[in-house]
Amino acid sequence: DSGVTQTPKHLITATGQRVTLRCSPRSGDLSVYWYQQSLDQGLQFLIQYYNGEERAKGNILERFSAQQFPDLHSELNLSSLELGDSALYFCASSVSGYEIPGEQFFGPGTRLTVL
Amino acid sequence: GENVEQHPSTLSVQEGDSAVIKCTYSDSASNYFPWYKQELGKRPQLIIDIRSNVGEKKDQRIAVTLNKTAKHFSLHITETQPEDSAVYFCAASRGGADGLTFGKGTHLIIQP
Repeated sequence: DSGVTQTPKHLITATGQRVTLRCSPRSGDLSVYWYQQSLDQGLQFLIQYYNGEERAKGNILERFSAQQFPDLHSELNLSSLELGDSALYFCASSVSGYEIPGEQFFGPGTRLTVL
Repeated sequence: GENVEQHPSTLSVQEGDSAVIKCTYSDSASNYFPWYKQELGKRPQLIIDIRSNVGEKKDQRIAVTLNKTAKHFSLHITETQPEDSAVYFCAASRGGADGLTFGKGTHLIIQP
């Protein structure tokens, strides 16, 4: 157990819908990262938040957005869902958010299926 | 942006033999290189990492080497065991304010 929690574990929805994935980082970690894992794209970095502020952006679609709340939990919002959005979504947390990189601890993931 | 290439995509070795997985990266500003192990349906777990001011790092049966000039780094697993069977990912990052760019993964199969 990494100490990072994600809910829900599984999510099944229809095209065009909107969903919210939730992540709670390890106690003391200020950075939250979101990743998408699919068979064709592999593991891709989406976005990072550090202490409530967006820190870095990766291959995140405009239909996707995220935020980090004062209690440091984070939510990833996926809207206008398409079949290709079906994937495993991981959240990771780290103590570091600046120059010195730190180990990223991954949560168990949320498996999203879009029908 | 950063691009990480990983080889081979599948590696089958006899139990007790060594396994080597290689990665190259494109961004000379990358300074952190972790390796993750992922079992089927599970989360990626860090097994070892190396920073750009170090050339080699060892942890029991696992070692990682980094060649900054050539922009490549490798994972070495000695005395392989059945529980080493998994998918291994290399990654690169420019620092704490940056996500990890992952390679495509290597499926390591340990033959009994």
